[in-house]
Amino acid sequence: KAGVTQTPRYLIKTRGQQVTLSCSPISGHRSVSWYQQTPGQGLQFLFEYFSETQRNKGNFPGRFSGRQFSNSRSEMNVSTLELGDSALYLCASRSVEKNTEAFFGQGTRLTVV
Amino acid sequence: LAKTTQPISMDSYEGQEVNITCSHNNIATNDYITWYQQFPSQGPRFIIQGYKTKVTNEVASLFIPADRKSSTLSLPRVSLSDTAVYYCLVGDQYGGSQGNLIFGKGTKLSVKP
Repeated sequence: KAGVTQTPRYLIKTRGQQVTLSCSPISGHRSVSWYQQTPGQGLQFLFEYFSETQRNKGNFPGRFSGRQFSNSRSEMNVSTLELGDSALYLCASRSVEKNTEAFFGQGTRLTVV
Repeated sequence: LAKTTQPISMDSYEGQEVNITCSHNNIATNDYITWYQQFPSQGPRFIIQGYKTKVTNEVASLFIPADRKSSTLSLPRVSLSDTAVYYCLVGDQYGGSQGNLIFGKGTKLSVKP
């Protein structure tokens, strides 16, 4: 069974640009969550999508958005990038049956310059 | 979700047993206790999950007292490769909007030779 795949692995963007990150969950998993991890703030929850609907949302500005497709793949978008958006962005997939066992991807390392 | 409290950091030496305790005074009846391990620049990895008493797998043991207000992750005979951050989470195992996984700061375990 393939794991969670995140693309790209590394990304360098300039302030003011926008970026789109992709996450392919484990086959059969319908829940996809996104997290931002920085050295100072740790793992912070961005949002969760389940069956193409945003089910939960963390405390991030509207510049952070996401969506989920019918095949459960998810994308997150960050517009008007700021230096502080530099972080490791992690995606996690879960099944309905074992909701607290999340499988994480390797993450996308975003650097904003 | 119940809030968890765990030590910020712990040090150990190779070959020792390490016990990391997590407090979750407001744990709900339906909540399970789950532990994750995270290495630098990687996504967290599920280690173990339990509801009460003791659970053991090939990686660790989880001890949960009768009142379930705390839990202890036990790592037998740690090696340098066990150096990581360990997160304790509590939450409802079976779906629903409560299935949102919120990570705290975790416990940074440093294993020395």
